Amino acid sequence: DTGVSQNPRHKITKRGQNVTFRCDPISEHNRLYWYRQTLGQGPEFLTYFQNEAQLEKSRLLSDRFSAERPKGSFSTLEIQRTEQGDSAMYLCASSLEGQGARSEQYFGPGTRLTVT
Amino acid sequence: RKEVEQDPGPFNVPEGATVAFNCTYSNSASQSFFWYRQDCRKEPKLLMSVYSSGNEDGRFTAQLNRASQYISLLIRDSKLSDSATYLCVVNKGYSSASKIIFGSGTRLSIRP
Repeated sequence: DTGVSQNPRHKITKRGQNVTFRCDPISEHNRLYWYRQTLGQGPEFLTYFQNEAQLEKSRLLSDRFSAERPKGSFSTLEIQRTEQGDSAMYLCASSLEGQGARSEQYFGPGTRLTVT
Repeated sequence: RKEVEQDPGPFNVPEGATVAFNCTYSNSASQSFFWYRQDCRKEPKLLMSVYSSGNEDGRFTAQLNRASQYISLLIRDSKLSDSATYLCVVNKGYSSASKIIFGSGTRLSIRP
């Protein structure tokens, strides 16, 4: 399977714990995005990387959230001191940016986080 | 006003019918547009990009109206398998990912 993969698919954690999610993008894609989606809403942008550089972060991304893409391949999203409001589906997407590319993003299956 | 607005639906139509929905956007400088399909509890999947001249892919036709700032999706001869939520996506600028805005989606249900 050469699509975007995410692990774990589901995570249940207690409030106050730290969690980390992983995303493996499509191998030739240079951009990687993280989104959060809650029921009845479209995905909301959190942050993105161009290769290993984190170029933008949304105001939604509080200090408790951190993302890395150390070698320009896979990425991790960590949430520290989780809160119940962090419960959501966390989606990763990747795209190939460059001349002629149209920012067509391909999504992974997501990690569903439940904070109890 | 939301930057990207969609009628949430649900649209409930019989199999074989033609159905269309619109998506309006507020930023006239928006550069590129897409339709994604999302099944319940699954990830969004790219359905089609929307080109200025309009484009068709089998039973699906997408149109862009820059003057009125909306894009549309038309589905002909609808199938049961078309039941899903359709997300409109607008990219306000090529250089910034934070300018990629998703609508909340339109739910479509096809009945036998």
